Amino acid sequence: GQNIDQPTEMTATEGAIVQINCTYQTSGFNGLFWYQQHAGEAPTFLSYNVLDGLEEKGRFSSFLSRSKGYSYLLLKELQMKDSASYLCAVREEDSSYKLIFGSGTRLLVRP
Amino acid sequence: GAVVSQHPSWVICKSGTSVKIECRSLDFQATTMFWYRQFPKQSLMLMATSNEGSKATYEQGVEKDKFLINHASLTLSTLTVTSAHPEDSSFYICSARLGRSYEQYFGPGTRLTVT
Repeated sequence: GQNIDQPTEMTATEGAIVQINCTYQTSGFNGLFWYQQHAGEAPTFLSYNVLDGLEEKGRFSSFLSRSKGYSYLLLKELQMKDSASYLCAVREEDSSYKLIFGSGTRLLVRP
Repeated sequence: GAVVSQHPSWVICKSGTSVKIECRSLDFQATTMFWYRQFPKQSLMLMATSNEGSKATYEQGVEKDKFLINHASLTLSTLTVTSAHPEDSSFYICSARLGRSYEQYFGPGTRLTVT
């Protein structure tokens, strides 16, 4: 079966660092994605991990451990505009390249 | 680059009518497009995978006769919600895969309200 877990909500302070975790159990694995979604808008791509380790891109970093079925998204120097939902998605190992999304984590950044 | 558009951005229809939603890749060819549905405060649920020139592959629990998908060209896929009911009210989002890339680019979504 497929199971992708994320915390439902998180709150952090402007300027701080926040880590959003994602654990997954899927029938196949061919990469893990993080997307940002503001309310009423489409998701926007943040990061992609297929190998173990940390990928850094500006204020955003993403980590993957395939053996543990675990990933996290790290947001540094939080800004008010970072208040959004963060979606973890796994690409199963087949030819369709379809994504299975977790339930998403709503992040609220407070002043 | 890699822009995906959807039309309409929102639509209100009466129960029992059909609604067509278009998804276009504006500056690239998309051999594969995906259709998702998202209810308020929930994540994206994949409805179907659409490959150009072939029948769509539907996820378990999605009625193919109710949600008709056509992928007639490399830049256009359409989703038709037939005989819509209030429970079909949702945010419908498409995405397009760029060539052989792993990336999917999402459209801005279509908010459907069935009265």
